[in-house]
Amino acid sequence: GENVEQHPSTLSVQEGDSAVIKCTYSDSASNYFPWYKQELGKRPQLIIDIRSNVGEKKDQRIAVTLNKTAKHFSLHITETQPEDSAVYFCAAKTGTASKLTFGTGTRLQVTL
Amino acid sequence: NAGVTQTPKFQVLKTGQSMTLQCAQDMNHEYMSWYRQDPGMGLRLIHYSVGAGITDQGEVPNGYNVSRSTTEDFPLRLLSAAPSQTSVYFCASSLGQGAGYEQYFGPGTRLTVT
Repeated sequence: GENVEQHPSTLSVQEGDSAVIKCTYSDSASNYFPWYKQELGKRPQLIIDIRSNVGEKKDQRIAVTLNKTAKHFSLHITETQPEDSAVYFCAAKTGTASKLTFGTGTRLQVTL
Repeated sequence: NAGVTQTPKFQVLKTGQSMTLQCAQDMNHEYMSWYRQDPGMGLRLIHYSVGAGITDQGEVPNGYNVSRSTTEDFPLRLLSAAPSQTSVYFCASSLGQGAGYEQYFGPGTRLTVT
């Protein structure tokens, strides 16, 4: 089955700096890669996603890049703010199935 | 729409007890799933359903049963609780399968087994 690895497990940046979280996947048939943000005690919420036929997608301060050849994808957050502090999860979905395989999460802390 | 709802929010069980975690959605979503979240391990799929009457196992199904008699409801049953089942459980649903269908998560149930 699919295996998703996520790095780093923790990340501390100063407000205004950029943050990058990286994930690799094992199944070359995976075709959908969402990113979820989870605040403390809350449910995961989708913040951005990308399909395998797209190399990059951007939504305001958040962007995701996908390298299908290397089987890795990354989340980029620019101009970080304290409210960006949360745990971020990457995930991969294979083919027509709806099963998502999640990475182990990155705890992002944005300091003043 | 209430979205995805879960009950209870918190539960404490003794080893060997049984219970059912409830999950419901009012978005007419065909696909529903259950995940458990443990520190440092992300979210792991327990069971999922692609429609009423159809269920299948995920990554960590042992110790859990599910059924899907209606589109709206997808309960998760623990037959004989064990301390290893202490976790936060999330139910999720999506309109369809395949790429691009967002999964919506419920608020979660925090379960402690002593």
